[in-house]
Amino acid sequence: GIQVEQSPPDLILQEGANSTLRCNFSDSVNNLQWFHQNPWGQLINLFYIPSGTKQNGRLSATTVATERYSLLYISSSQTTDSGVYFCAGGNTGNQFYFGTGTSLTVIP
Amino acid sequence: ETGVTQTPRHLVMGMTNKKSLKCEQHLGHNAMYWYKQSAKKPLELMFVYSLEERVENNSVPSRFSPECPNSSHLFLHLHTLQPEDSALYLCASSPGVRTGELFFGEGSRLTVL
Repeated sequence: GIQVEQSPPDLILQEGANSTLRCNFSDSVNNLQWFHQNPWGQLINLFYIPSGTKQNGRLSATTVATERYSLLYISSSQTTDSGVYFCAGGNTGNQFYFGTGTSLTVIP
Repeated sequence: ETGVTQTPRHLVMGMTNKKSLKCEQHLGHNAMYWYKQSAKKPLELMFVYSLEERVENNSVPSRFSPECPNSSHLFLHLHTLQPEDSALYLCASSPGVRTGELFFGEGSRLTVL
């Protein structure tokens, strides 16, 4: 299977700070997503981004498929951004594999 | 309102009980999945269904029994579970198997006493 490494595992930010989360894959992927897991357990879709760059408000993501990594940027963080961020990737021969997540805490 | 709904949201059961988790997707997708999330572990894929046919079963114990009566509904029947089966069970759907974006339900938190 595909190994997915996320960093950092834990992150504490002051409200208003910026952060970058990283996801490395051991193999090429052509499906890649970022999720935010809310305190109630639901995985919320942030980006579907097999390649390139996308932006949605204060969040943006970049995937460099040839180098097998993806980055999630959070700008001007808010307390509501707290939670666990997961990346997941797969390809036509493999299921989606998930990383162990980055646990983000934003303090006021 | 989410495109994938799961019931119940919370379930407590004894080891001798039989219960079921239900998932329904309103997205017109052809593939549905059950994932298990235990503390401090990555999400683990349990079962994959494509157009009501099981296409993947990742060495899941037989005490978990999936059922997919149609492309919109997916069940996970539970019987004779163990305390270590306590976890968050997540249902997801996608346009096709291993293609397109995954959408998750809110999860069913299971506690086995």
